Amino acid sequence: EVQLLESGGGLVQPGGSLRLSCVVSGLTFTNYAMNWVRQAPGKGLEWVSPSAPYSADSVEGRFTISRDNFKNTLYLQMNSLRVEDTAVYYCVKVASGGYYFDQWGQGILVTVSS
Amino acid sequence: EIVLTQSPDTLSLSPGERATLSCRTSQSVSSSSLAWYQQKPGQAPSLLVYGASSRATGVPDRFRGSGSGTDFILTISRLEPEDFAVYYCQQYGISPLTFGGGTKVEIK
Repeated sequence: EVQLLESGGGLVQPGGSLRLSCVVSGLTFTNYAMNWVRQAPGKGLEWVSPSAPYSADSVEGRFTISRDNFKNTLYLQMNSLRVEDTAVYYCVKVASGGYYFDQWGQGILVTVSS
Repeated sequence: EIVLTQSPDTLSLSPGERATLSCRTSQSVSSSSLAWYQQKPGQAPSLLVYGASSRATGVPDRFRGSGSGTDFILTISRLEPEDFAVYYCQQYGISPLTFGGGTKVEIK
């Protein structure tokens, strides 16, 4: 069974930093692309892409995605956090046949507030 | 970026009824690169349909995706109690990947 388990969320002040982790099990981690999707409270889904030229203005230059293939772990480093970054962050597995998401973690809440 | 417009915002139906959800894209989506997700309250989304019309593993056949170009439809033939949820479409033909705003299917 594939499992994606996020951690590292919580309350942070505006301007602060946070690093989310996602440990993946039940598959060969190196074979798949992984991403992050976020959902602000009561809102829809947003792909978190800090990589130009596809990055949303909202996260470019502030967020970085990385992975450790030895630890089967995906990371999201978030700097200069803003109130509007408050959301549930989902770790997602990219499907083999296209850039859609066939496995989702349970999500982790990040709250940016003073 | 491609904007996805879902309609209606809310669909009020009874169990056993047919649900028809629309997703319109601002540009033609290549190779029918459109997916649908279901999200139940307090849960993560789950994949229902990809490639506009292919059901994901384990998805009941009462869920049917159709469409091409800029107009896509998700049909639930007979609503079961567990189908009342929010549904999102997502295009993955052109970056950045984008999602629609969602359609809530609620019990009438």
